[in-house]
Amino acid sequence: GNSVTQMEGPVTLSEEAFLTINCTYTATGYPSLFWYVQYPGEGLQLLLKATKADDKGSNKGFEATYRKETTSFHLEKGSVQVSDSAVYFCALSDRAGSNYKLTFGKGTLLTVNP
Amino acid sequence: SAVISQKPSRDICQRGTSLTIQCQVDSQVTMMFWYRQQPGQSLTLIATANQGSEATYESGFVIDKFPISRPNLTFSTLTVSNMSPEDSSIYLCSVPAGGVETQYFGPGTRLLVL
Repeated sequence: GNSVTQMEGPVTLSEEAFLTINCTYTATGYPSLFWYVQYPGEGLQLLLKATKADDKGSNKGFEATYRKETTSFHLEKGSVQVSDSAVYFCALSDRAGSNYKLTFGKGTLLTVNP
Repeated sequence: SAVISQKPSRDICQRGTSLTIQCQVDSQVTMMFWYRQQPGQSLTLIATANQGSEATYESGFVIDKFPISRPNLTFSTLTVSNMSPEDSSIYLCSVPAGGVETQYFGPGTRLLVL
């Protein structure tokens, strides 16, 4: 079956530090890959996505590249801000019958200190 | 993106009782999804609700425990029946948007069962 593995948290950084959150996946087909973010007290929001190998998704200074050879989709940001403090979820979407099913990683809590 | 609302936003319930959660979308969608996010855990898909047909449940979830209604293309309900403290979670609905692989999430319903 499909699975997503994220690096264990929590991650604590100082403002303007470089961020990497590792994500690897196992899938039987050719999934699309996503990063979702959950800010404190809010619902889940789509941060970025990539639908095929070597695609780079980017948004709000975050980026992730779909690496089929290493089955990875690591999230990076060059300079984090306090407002980036949130839980980040890596996910994949794969076709299951007539539906597309999302499989999530366990989430990584990021805290950015001023 | 779709605008999704959920009611109630949070509730505290006694064990043995049932709670019905509503999900309203501002546009017509063929599929709606219900997820559970247990404390400190990732999101797990409970079921897919299609208008005009029975919901499709994931392994480990059954209709008697989580009955779902889908009376039209903009609305769905999830009932958590005969609750126990293990049902304490955030329950989220989502809809596909921008292509069926991408999902947008509601703000969630935070349930605490005593």
